[in-house]
Parts: sequence; structure tokens; C-alpha cells
Amino acid sequence: EIVLTQSPGTLSLSPGERATLSCRASQSVSSGNLAWYQQKPGQAPRLLIYGASSRATGLPDRFSGSGSGTDFTLTISRLEPEDFAVYYCQQYANLPFTFGPGTKVDIK
Amino acid sequence: QVQLRESGPGLVKPSQTLSLTCTVSGDSISRGNYYWSWIRQPAGKRLEWIGRIYASGSTNYNPSLESRVTISVDTSKNQFSLKLTSVTAADTAVYYCARNLGTWGQGTLVTVSS
Repeated sequence: EIVLTQSPGTLSLSPGERATLSCRASQSVSSGNLAWYQQKPGQAPRLLIYGASSRATGLPDRFSGSGSGTDFTLTISRLEPEDFAVYYCQQYANLPFTFGPGTKVDIK
Repeated sequence: QVQLRESGPGLVKPSQTLSLTCTVSGDSISRGNYYWSWIRQPAGKRLEWIGRIYASGSTNYNPSLESRVTISVDTSKNQFSLKLTSVTAADTAVYYCARNLGTWGQGTLVTVSS
């Protein structure tokens, strides 16, 4: 099984700042089959990015994904108040699909 | 716009079987090349993929749960279901159903307790 690790565990930033979240896989994620989700308390995860860099329908362009192989990044160029949440990466290249432990982006 | 909704008991006794149903609205479960998944999340922990099913009935399960899990589909009711046997407190979680990656139900909390 592919194990995903995310860093940092918590990111404390102010609105307007840039957020850079990392996801590292224990083995190569083929075809860039890596997704990013945002989750707010009491809500289901919301798909942000799939295929490592493709934005989900309607997602603001301040969100971007990059990376390949074992190292992936989610960048939020300028944080809006609604972006403070927990972010998870998921690989769907190999079964079983697996998720990272999450990065919490909170208000500094 | 497709919507998914989980339903089932919120409380299950240890050693019993957890049974949940996901009802799909706004689209036919038989249409398109979609897979239909169950994912769970214990409080404060990461998401865990349980397994998936295609409309054809083909399934894939997480090996960590495979001996206890069955996912089935009822295309006539536009539903798919999860059964997890011999539950323990470790199975307490919010359970989500989902279509592919992007469409999720709101989730339902299942507590395993006597």
C-alpha cells in the first residue's frame, strides 16, 4: 500500500498570505493520480485537485497543484477567510486508495 | 446535479453487523463509467478508503477490512450498500459514500457501543 505523509501538520498563516502544503508518497504515484481535498468541521471532504494539477469544476484559480512521482504540492496563492480548513491528499493510482494525515491551515 | 445520501443505524453493538445504504439522486447509478465508494473517518483521524463497486457489481476492497466487508449495488433502487461484520469500537467513525473522487454524501456517524 502507498503511504502518504503530509507536511507541515499545521500551518498558521494570515489572510492574504501564500500557503504551500506538501504530500509525499512512499512509492511513485503513477500517472499523477493524486488528489487534494479540503475539509471543514462537520462537512464532507471537497475535491479541489485531481490528476496532481487539474482543478475541480468551479475551483478558484488561487488553488494550484503540482508535482509528480513521490512529491506533490498544493499551493494557495492568497488565503481567503474561507480557506482555513484541513487539507488531505489522496492517491488513487494503486489499490487500496490511501489518504494522507492532513494539514490544518489555521489563522495566525 | 447528482447527490448522495447515507442512511442506516447510528448505533451498532459490538460483534454485530454495520449496515449502511447510499441513495443516489440526480443520476442513474448504472450510467457512465463511475465507481461508487465507501470511505470512513474516525474522529480526529485521517480518511480510510473501505472499498468500491461498479454498476456491473465488480468490487475492490481495502485488504485491512476485506474479510469483514461487503459492498453491493441495487440498480433498480439506485442505491449501493455497505456491510461490515464483527464490529468493534475501532469501527466507530463517520461513514461517507462517494462517486469517483468528486461527489460525496454528507456522511453519517456510526457508533459501536453496547
